[in-house]
Amino acid sequence: DGGITQSPKYLFRKEGQNVTLSCEQNLNHDAMYWYRQDPGQGLRLIYYSQIVNDFQKGDIAEGYSVSREKKESFPLTVTSAQKNPTAFYLCASSFYKREQFFGPGTRLTVL
Amino acid sequence: LAKTTQPISMDSYEGQEVNITCSHNNIATNDYITWYQQFPSQGPRFIIQGYKTKVTNEVASLFIPADRKSSTLSLPRVSLSDTAVYYCLVAADTGFQKLVFGTGTRLLVSP
Repeated sequence: DGGITQSPKYLFRKEGQNVTLSCEQNLNHDAMYWYRQDPGQGLRLIYYSQIVNDFQKGDIAEGYSVSREKKESFPLTVTSAQKNPTAFYLCASSFYKREQFFGPGTRLTVL
Repeated sequence: LAKTTQPISMDSYEGQEVNITCSHNNIATNDYITWYQQFPSQGPRFIIQGYKTKVTNEVASLFIPADRKSSTLSLPRVSLSDTAVYYCLVAADTGFQKLVFGTGTRLLVSP
């Protein structure tokens, strides 16, 4: 059963803590992406990776970090430097020049 | 990246055809037009993509005039399950698409 999985579905964080969101795909896609969505808003690109061991900042990378050690995995760490991390986080992947497939999302809440 | 403008919301009834128009006045020569659908608390889902004239698949049609400054997503005979947010995006077909999501069009289908 191919697709993109994100975990956990819900995540709660205390202020000052770093948290890592998981994203895994078994679609053999080369590129992977992380987006953030705030209530009533569109998606904003955080980071993207076109190939293993390489990634680029998106429009709102401050306070976030990523790694791409395996083709299938693209974890996102929300650091304490991110001042307003409460949001819905979406991971996506794609082949070169093809449409993006999105995961089910992780809803992060800062307590 | 070309900016898009769509209506904030639209209402329809079951069985009707819905046309959502998107304006993208500064679209570049190598940009494609792509539409995604998003249900609450889920990741967006690719609907259709086109470059010019008309594209049709099993769920929708995309009409693009010759000047490509606008496009229209047509959903035939909508049902209650088509209630969602629809995003129009333009992105260059030069590799891995760096998508820019606006706020989309919130479609409400009533019985």
